[in-house]
Amino acid sequence: KNQVEQSPQSLIILEGKNCTLQCNYTVSPFSNLRWYKQDTGRGPVSLTIMTFSENTKSNGRYTATLDADTKQSSLHITASQLSDSASYICVVSDRGSTLGRLYFGRGTQLTVWP
Amino acid sequence: EADIYQTPRYLVIGTGKKITLECSQTMGHDKMYWYQQDPGMELHLIHYSYGVNSTEKGDLSSESTVSRIRTEHFPLTLESARPSHTSQYLCASSEKWQGGSPLHFGNGTRLTVT
Repeated sequence: KNQVEQSPQSLIILEGKNCTLQCNYTVSPFSNLRWYKQDTGRGPVSLTIMTFSENTKSNGRYTATLDADTKQSSLHITASQLSDSASYICVVSDRGSTLGRLYFGRGTQLTVWP
Repeated sequence: EADIYQTPRYLVIGTGKKITLECSQTMGHDKMYWYQQDPGMELHLIHYSYGVNSTEKGDLSSESTVSRIRTEHFPLTLESARPSHTSQYLCASSEKWQGGSPLHFGNGTRLTVT
């Protein structure tokens, strides 16, 4: 069964600290993996996309990694800010074509305290 | 900033009422989608459209219907709302089919049926 599991379910950190969010998937075949950020009361916004051949990709203070062999991805946030408080959703695509579908994780709720 | 707009943001209605959730995008995307999101749960695809006059049901069974008469407009209708329809509804669009390019989400409509 194709699934996307995220951990932890929720996380509280102090402003300025780093954190790492995890995403494990069993989706096959694999096309790509995206991380989305969803602020409270808003729609998700794409942060990064990882394809099979990519190991690391950065977007400002966000760095995503992908291990396609173990089917694991992580999102590392450096020097957290209050505005990083949000739900982070891992989404895996099984194909990039019209036939493909997306598999969503339940998200990690991150809270950054001052 | 999102170029996809959903109205209303919040809606509280009584059982049996007919409602239409509006969604419009200004990016000229052919692909549009409706997702349902409950707290702490993954997004579920309920409807999608490849373009004008094209609509399909998604992975999650829904009693709602959609139409796509214009590229920019993708409304969702519930003929007779029930308390089980209480949820957040997210509209999205993309340049390519959902795995091939990022989804652009609206800020959602939170529906409560009493």
